[in-house]
Amino acid sequence: EAQVTQNPRYLITVTGKKLTVTCSQNMNHEYMSWYRQDPGLGLRQIYYSMNVEVTDKGDVPEGYKVSRKEKRNFPLILESPSPNQTSLYFCASSPGTELYGYTFGSGTRLTVV
Amino acid sequence: TQLLEQSPQFLSIQEGENLTVYCNSSSVFSSLQWYRQEPGEGPVLLVTVVTGGEVKKLKRLTFQFGDARKDSSLHITAAQPGDTGLYLCAGKNAGGTSYGKLTFGQGTILTVHP
Repeated sequence: EAQVTQNPRYLITVTGKKLTVTCSQNMNHEYMSWYRQDPGLGLRQIYYSMNVEVTDKGDVPEGYKVSRKEKRNFPLILESPSPNQTSLYFCASSPGTELYGYTFGSGTRLTVV
Repeated sequence: TQLLEQSPQFLSIQEGENLTVYCNSSSVFSSLQWYRQEPGEGPVLLVTVVTGGEVKKLKRLTFQFGDARKDSSLHITAAQPGDTGLYLCAGKNAGGTSYGKLTFGQGTILTVHP
């Protein structure tokens, strides 16, 4: 089944403790992206990647890092999480051409205390 | 930063009514996408419109892309309780250094009462 897989689905952590949220897609998509969704603010792009080793900042990249060493994986790293990074995070992938939209993962709900 | 203004933010209607959701921007997009999101899940793509003036139909849903590729609308005919959800529009950047970047509107929460 074609899908984007995020792990974990739920995570509670403490301020300052480094964490990684994994994202993997099995559709050979070139584009991958991370979003956070907050009430009243909608979906905001954190980082996106056009291909292996090619990444760019989205609208809210502060406090996050990403890497794209393989086409299928696009992990999101929080080096020193803070409470304002408590949010619902989504990974998404796309073939990159105009006719196709993004396939989203099921989300990771992160709480930083 | 490109912005997409989506309206209305909330919509509560009775089963059988028609409705329209609007998505407007001052920027040109190479394509416009509509998604539907259920609570606790990721957005699911409904349609992508690419050509200015394009109209696409998906059963009772009709999507239109403005001639100038700056706005779009979603029209639902005879809404049903199963249409309840969060509807999101998203514009794909037309070019430059941000090619492929997707910008989302704030979303419309639709509730259809039986």
